[in-house]
Amino acid sequence: GENVEQHPSTLSVQEGDSAVIKCTYSDSASNYFPWYKQELGKGPQLIIDIRSNVGEKKDQRIAVTLNKTAKHFSLHITETQPEDSAVYFCAASRMDSSYKLIFGSGTRLLVRP
Amino acid sequence: SQTIHQWPATLVQPVGSPLSLECTVEGTSNPNLYWYRQAAGRGLQLLFYSVGIGQISSEVPQNLSASRPQDRQFILSSKKLLLSDSGFYLCAFSLGEGGQYFGPGTRLLVL
Repeated sequence: GENVEQHPSTLSVQEGDSAVIKCTYSDSASNYFPWYKQELGKGPQLIIDIRSNVGEKKDQRIAVTLNKTAKHFSLHITETQPEDSAVYFCAASRMDSSYKLIFGSGTRLLVRP
Repeated sequence: SQTIHQWPATLVQPVGSPLSLECTVEGTSNPNLYWYRQAAGRGLQLLFYSVGIGQISSEVPQNLSASRPQDRQFILSSKKLLLSDSGFYLCAFSLGEGGQYFGPGTRLLVL
């Protein structure tokens, strides 16, 4: 079945530096790739997504890139701030009638002030 | 805009007791609905999903069941809780052609 691998599992950066989280997926039919941010004790929040017909998408300090050939996609956070500290999950979907998401295992990001 | 509610926020239950967690969505119709479980410090495990009233798909065999009695209501149940049922339970909805949107979650502790 579909599998999504996410790296690294933990990431510590200095405030102001950039952070990059990478995911790979196995199902070549996947065509939708969202990213979620989960703060402690809360539900995951959708922060950005990308579809397979686009190679890159940016929203202020957050960007996502997709390489369909290599089945890789990445989250880039620039000018990190302490409030960016959270667990980030990537996911992939075929966007069939179930709209099920296959999630990565998560990355715990710590931004040091 | 759409909103999703879950209750209770926290729950402490003895082993062998029944369970009922409720999730409701407002501001939309005919959403896909999902139940996930998240163990402490771990990822998201999809338990059930529903594409319509009365339509439930189970992703993993377990001690839990789900029902969708109304279009925007999704219920997670158990007849007898196990210690291993402890976790953070998340409900989510999807409108199709986009991501899933999660509720605030229910933290369940089975003692």
